[in-house]
Amino acid sequence: KQEVTQIPAALSVPEGENLVLNCSFTDSAIYNLQWFRQDPGKGLTSLLLIQSSQREQTSGRLNASLDKSSGRSTLYIAASQPGDSATYLCAVRPGDSWGKLQFGAGTQVVVTP
Amino acid sequence: KAGVTQTPRYLIKTRGQQVTLSCSPISGHRSVSWYQQTPGQGLQFLFEYFSETQRNKGNFPGRFSGRQFSNSRSEMNVSTLELGDSALYLCASSPRDSIRDNEQFFGPGTRLTVL
Repeated sequence: KQEVTQIPAALSVPEGENLVLNCSFTDSAIYNLQWFRQDPGKGLTSLLLIQSSQREQTSGRLNASLDKSSGRSTLYIAASQPGDSATYLCAVRPGDSWGKLQFGAGTQVVVTP
Repeated sequence: KAGVTQTPRYLIKTRGQQVTLSCSPISGHRSVSWYQQTPGQGLQFLFEYFSETQRNKGNFPGRFSGRQFSNSRSEMNVSTLELGDSALYLCASSPRDSIRDNEQFFGPGTRLTVL
């Protein structure tokens, strides 16, 4: 059974510092991994999608890496800003299903001015 | 391109009632998935619909059901509501054109409160 874990559960950094968010999963048979951002009481915003054959994806200040064999992904956010404060979730698409994403519990990030 | 829309945004119901939530996917997207988010359990997959057929189902009781229409719009229904059904219900759409082209895009959610 696939388990997705995100550590730490919460993180507070001063503005300008780089953020490093971790995601681990127990079953390497995944099709892809997706990182999302969620603001309080809102829906999810897709940040990056990494296919299982890829090692990393980049978008602006965001970079996500994937090591499928060790069951790990890392999201890096460079030069954090107060607007980056949110909960960040990672989700894997298991190899045996299409429309199902399995989510971690998220990392709540606060960036202080 | 308009994003995923969900209606209504907020609902208050009492135990024993039933409720229907609606989701309109991004134009051209043919797959709609539903998720329940609670503080205790996090985000859990309910089911996925594609071409008007349920393709995957999560671990929820039969009180939770759904359907998809020919225009890809989807509804989910919860019958005999329980207090524990209070949650944010999110729907997501994806193109489902190929194995690679399956990024999921989420709507703003429907906040259901059961009293």
